[in-house]
Amino acid sequence: DTAVSQTPKYLVTQMGNDKSIKCEQNLGHDTMYWYKQDSKKFLKIMFSYNNKELIINETVPNRFSPKSPDKAHLNLHINSLELGDSAVYFCASSQATPVGGETQYFGPGTRLLVL
Amino acid sequence: GDSVTQMEGPVTLSEEAFLTINCTYTATGYPSLFWYVQYPGEGLQLLLKATKADDKGSNKGFEATYRKETTSFHLEKGSVQVSDSAVYFCALSEAGGTSYGKLTFGQGTILTVHP
Repeated sequence: DTAVSQTPKYLVTQMGNDKSIKCEQNLGHDTMYWYKQDSKKFLKIMFSYNNKELIINETVPNRFSPKSPDKAHLNLHINSLELGDSAVYFCASSQATPVGGETQYFGPGTRLLVL
Repeated sequence: GDSVTQMEGPVTLSEEAFLTINCTYTATGYPSLFWYVQYPGEGLQLLLKATKADDKGSNKGFEATYRKETTSFHLEKGSVQVSDSAVYFCALSEAGGTSYGKLTFGQGTILTVHP
């Protein structure tokens, strides 16, 4: 029973294409996140949704558009893919509150390679 | 803004050696502090955490103490095993406001343990 799942696991595509990555969590959490991990392993948050509402939107090109159809799903759509978008994208979820300190649970990652 | 700095890697040790990975942070408020571990080809999983000053987090023989006076959260293990080979991330999340559990990560430290 995977807690946070992502599809696809690997994605190889050409520059200029549009692609989507899907994320689902079965933990009953209210908050979901997308992180990007670059080739040097550095992780940076991109977006966060709480109960389907966008609450964090870091400085990300508007070619990236998250969508949360319900609180168990957070998808990431990328338009006009560029070489620099090649990375590993991680979805995570938590029962986040304003108090802080809650554990985030990560998916296995989607390895995107743009050729 | 918030930031986390980890010791430069990679770190290579022999089995049963003592491990220290240094982590210092800069934050505007009173963050929670975390160590996450990423095994090869996998997503991140929580190793341990501490939510207030002087708290000690521990798990699987790893320990870290939240030191507010030195803004540090160094990871230690008395005797490493080959199975501890992974990438270790120090991270913080701020309480309150619009942070909603957003994690700010250090750059990661690659640990390799040889038999």
